[in-house]
Amino acid sequence: DIRMTQSPSSLSASVGDKITITCRASQSINNHLNWYQQKPGKAPSLLIHGVSTLQRGVPPRFGGSGSGTDFTLTISNLQTEDFATYYCHQTYGDPWTFGQGTKVEIK
Amino acid sequence: QVQLQESGPRLVKPSQTLSLTCSVSGASINTGTYYWTWIRQHRGKGLEWIGYVYFNGGTYYNPSLRGRFSISMDTSRNQFSLKVNSVTAADTAVYYCARIYGDYPNWFDPWGQGTLVTVSS
Repeated sequence: DIRMTQSPSSLSASVGDKITITCRASQSINNHLNWYQQKPGKAPSLLIHGVSTLQRGVPPRFGGSGSGTDFTLTISNLQTEDFATYYCHQTYGDPWTFGQGTKVEIK
Repeated sequence: QVQLQESGPRLVKPSQTLSLTCSVSGASINTGTYYWTWIRQHRGKGLEWIGYVYFNGGTYYNPSLRGRFSISMDTSRNQFSLKVNSVTAADTAVYYCARIYGDYPNWFDPWGQGTLVTVSS
């Protein structure tokens, strides 16, 4: 299985901050990398697919980049509604796997 | 707008079969080139992909799971289902259904709200 390792596992930030979450795959996954946001008690929702394509309706303060094995999710000008857990997800190797999640908390 | 909704028993006894249904609105599950999938999330843990059913009824499962899972579709009701045989406490989780979008690469969107299933006697 392709192991997806996110770092950090959690972070504290303030409204207005810029944060970066890293996702590293145990082998190359080409551009088959997605990001989801999950709020407590809710289902994950798609933020970004194919490394950097924002899902319709996702604010442009969210951005994704990377290639091969190393990927990042960046949130600029952090807003109150962005405090949540974020998961990366690869659909290149079988089985499809997720990172363990990064919890973004209010400082 | 495509919406998915999981339903089924919230409590299942050990060794029995867990059965869940995902009702889809806003799209027909047997048209187009969509896949329909199940994912689960153990309490406080990450996400585990279970498998999918294709619009023509074909299925594929996470090979890392131990073959107790079965996904099927009921086109007359526009639903697809998950069965997990011989459940144990380790199958206690929130189960989500979702549509798989894209054509390699793929992504999951939208998701159902999820349903917590507890395995306990």
